[in-house]
Amino acid sequence: ETGVTQSPTHLIKTRGQQVTLRCSSQSGHNTVSWYQQALGQGPQFIFQYYREEENGRGNFPPRFSGLQFPNYSSELNVNALELDDSALYLCASSLAGRQAGELFFGEGSRLTVL
Amino acid sequence: AQTVTQSQPEMSVQEAETVTLSCTYDTSESDYYLFWYKQPPSRQMILVIRQEAYKQQNATENRFSVNFQKAAKSFSLKISDSQLGDAAMYFCAYRSAFNSGAGSYQLTFGKGTKLSVIP
Repeated sequence: ETGVTQSPTHLIKTRGQQVTLRCSSQSGHNTVSWYQQALGQGPQFIFQYYREEENGRGNFPPRFSGLQFPNYSSELNVNALELDDSALYLCASSLAGRQAGELFFGEGSRLTVL
Repeated sequence: AQTVTQSQPEMSVQEAETVTLSCTYDTSESDYYLFWYKQPPSRQMILVIRQEAYKQQNATENRFSVNFQKAAKSFSLKISDSQLGDAAMYFCAYRSAFNSGAGSYQLTFGKGTKLSVIP
């Protein structure tokens, strides 16, 4: 059973640029969610995808967007990067229907915006 | 909106001793789940223990146990026989039991408690 994998692990961008982060969900999981974790803070929910559609969103502007593919992998896209977007971005997968909703996290992508 | 508060930014414990991490939350819902996650320097969040709000019995997982006080909206984590590998950030998290859409698993996290284990 493969775990959640994310790429890239680290990247540096400048203000105004765009970035795409990728996530492969755990084998058999059909739901993926993304979290932003600023330095010294807890993760904050960005959005969740199920069956290739967004079905939940946190308090993030539209320049944060995502995709889920038929194989349940996912992308997080951020346009017009701002300095405050510097953070660890965590992807988590789960299996819809399990009430306890255990999430399995990847190791994250560390984004630095200069 | 739900909020989760961890009032201890840092804690330390002697190896083999017991430590308790505090968490309080605010919600108007009656049915929900609570979690403790561990985030070591490797950054990967690992589930430590979970508690269903409708269960009165406190959850336990080996050396980890919780004290769930629903009326007080308190959910503390006790780590017994602390080991060096327990050193990490610990996050308390809340999830509503209400599924808005298929499988909504949005977690609300606290700011975390950094636990150090002294040899």
